[in-house]
Amino acid sequence: DAKTTQPTSMDCAEGRAANLPCNHSTISGNEYVYWYRQIHSQGPQYIIHGLKNNETNEMASLIITEDRKSSTLILPHATLRDTAVYYCIVRVDGSGGSNYKLTFGKGTLLTVNP
Amino acid sequence: NAGVMQNPRHLVRRRGQEARLRCSPMKGHSHVYWYRQLPEEGLKFMVYLQKENIIDESGMPKERFSAEFPKEGPSILRIQQVVRGDSAAYFCASSLSGSNNEQFFGPGTRLTVL
Repeated sequence: DAKTTQPTSMDCAEGRAANLPCNHSTISGNEYVYWYRQIHSQGPQYIIHGLKNNETNEMASLIITEDRKSSTLILPHATLRDTAVYYCIVRVDGSGGSNYKLTFGKGTLLTVNP
Repeated sequence: NAGVMQNPRHLVRRRGQEARLRCSPMKGHSHVYWYRQLPEEGLKFMVYLQKENIIDESGMPKERFSAEFPKEGPSILRIQQVVRGDSAAYFCASSLSGSNNEQFFGPGTRLTVL
């Protein structure tokens, strides 16, 4: 799986949009971008994933650049409960290989301030 | 619709004792994954199991660790003769099918070895 690079930490004001960047310059054509988050002392929570088109769900939006070398997770109206470590993970979907292994890096600690 | 359940949530053992961690996957999920998170580190894959089969145990330490997922009942991660370095959070995840489904994580078991 491709390696990802994320900032160590970010701050965001409550009610504002939080934009979390991720670089994955070595991503392959069949690799998806996944985002998980881990709120303190809890298990990781799936947020969203995408291949090349922008994606949106009830939690967040995922913007993937045209060359797919980077992406941004957007939380449109951050709340205090969004304070967590956010992990950007690249993995191949579909059968074959060991793509079931999620490789978690250090992630970005997002702190939402009142 | 219960999520992934793990018990106990906290487990304290003395060096040399055995630790047994349990994971009940989400209803309908037959794929289970165990991850370990050492203090101040990201999650690391340990083992992937389907009912009655170990698919990939490449992330498991060679000695003292074993995992099973019987036909009936929860998946069990067993650590024999625990040492202080085994102190960590152990997370279980489940998915509906193999590689191409997002994994849903449980709340974790925090093992402390005295």
